[in-house]
Amino acid sequence: KQEVTQIPAALSVPEGENLVLNCSFTDSAIYNLQWFRQDPGKGLTSLLLIQSSQREQTSGRLNASLDKSSGRSTLYIAASQPGDSATYLCAVSGSAGAGSYQLTFGKGTKLSVIP
Amino acid sequence: EAQVTQNPRYLITVTGKKLTVTCSQNMNHEYMSWYRQDPGLGLRQIYYSMNVEVTDKGDVPEGYKVSRKEKRNFPLILESPSPNQTSLYFCASRLAVTTYEQYFGPGTRLTVT
Repeated sequence: KQEVTQIPAALSVPEGENLVLNCSFTDSAIYNLQWFRQDPGKGLTSLLLIQSSQREQTSGRLNASLDKSSGRSTLYIAASQPGDSATYLCAVSGSAGAGSYQLTFGKGTKLSVIP
Repeated sequence: EAQVTQNPRYLITVTGKKLTVTCSQNMNHEYMSWYRQDPGLGLRQIYYSMNVEVTDKGDVPEGYKVSRKEKRNFPLILESPSPNQTSLYFCASRLAVTTYEQYFGPGTRLTVT
């Protein structure tokens, strides 16, 4: 069964710093990996989707990489801002070979950007 | 505007009183699913549907029912709610099963007393 781990569970950085959030998964047979942002008590907003054949995706100050063979992904946030404060979730979409089409989520990294 | 909507957003009910949480998407997505989110446990899938009349269990289906009679709607039914079903529930959809990004509704906070 797929397991997704996100480290660290919480991170506090001063405004302007660049930072990296980590995600690891146990079964490399995935269709894609998606990074989400969740504000307290709110729904999830999709940030980036990386297909299993891709190595990275970029959107503005965000860059996500995927190393499928090693079961790792990173989300890089450049020049962090207080508005980036949220919980960031990583999710992988299982392949048919694994018997599941569902998304498996990590428990998230809670990011606080201090002004 | 492309979106996933859920109703109600907040619900307080009592043990055993049947309830339905509605979910609707306007993007003609094939795949829809329900999740619950609990502190320390993260997001867990309850049920999913790959298309009309095609549904299957996720990781935590006990105590829940779903139906998919129309492509746009995917209601979650709790026949006899219990306090351990107190949670934050999310409906989600994506265009197809495998390669597309998933969109989430705003969430329904359910409290069962």
